[in-house]
Amino acid sequence: AQKITQTQPGMFVQEKEAVTLDCTYDTSDQSYGLFWYKQPSSGEMIFLIYQGSYDEQNATEGRYSLNFQKARKSANLVISASQLGDSAMYFCAMREGRWTGRRALTFGSGTRLQVQP
Amino acid sequence: SQTIHQWPATLVQPVGSPLSLECTVEGTSNPNLYWYRQAAGRGLQLLFYSVGIGQISSEVPQNLSASRPQDRQFILSSKKLLLSDSGFYLCAGTEPAGMFGANVLTFGAGSRLTVL
Repeated sequence: AQKITQTQPGMFVQEKEAVTLDCTYDTSDQSYGLFWYKQPSSGEMIFLIYQGSYDEQNATEGRYSLNFQKARKSANLVISASQLGDSAMYFCAMREGRWTGRRALTFGSGTRLQVQP
Repeated sequence: SQTIHQWPATLVQPVGSPLSLECTVEGTSNPNLYWYRQAAGRGLQLLFYSVGIGQISSEVPQNLSASRPQDRQFILSSKKLLLSDSGFYLCAGTEPAGMFGANVLTFGAGSRLTVL
């Protein structure tokens, strides 16, 4: 089974509008972390926001917020007031396996966001 | 904070030739290090990770190998490249200590490999 599922291969949004990128995850761990990264056409991976499984409040970082619904196992990214520079691939990722030392992230397949003027 | 340097940025190699991609870390001691591969238009697949010098764990059986000869150096290699090895390779690192979940994975700029 997929650990991270991003069901939207592509999304369009008008400049200055808000957009929600969906992410659902699958884990049996009680302690895990959820991340969102942005990948512009240059290929670099840019960290956006983090949510811990025990965090009671939804994470926010500037125009980014994470809509964390633990019971539904979803961690959607909300970008408010979209800008042209937000056009990129967006990846949801999860860290689990607290005691293994591995600490790697498992990534979803990504959503390509295009912001239109 | 941690910075990941990765090279070469672009590489075109014939089938059957060897490969060496290098990654070095600045700003952190004893980091966890990772090699990911990204096929065109796809997500990232973890290939190898290392928790210390000489300690390599392979996630996917394949034609590639990894080595960590120094604390801040991580190398991805192949003796004979296959067409299927083409892709975008990303080195990443994370702090070794601290809260389990919150360590951010920092990435290098990536190496784009084309095997012809």
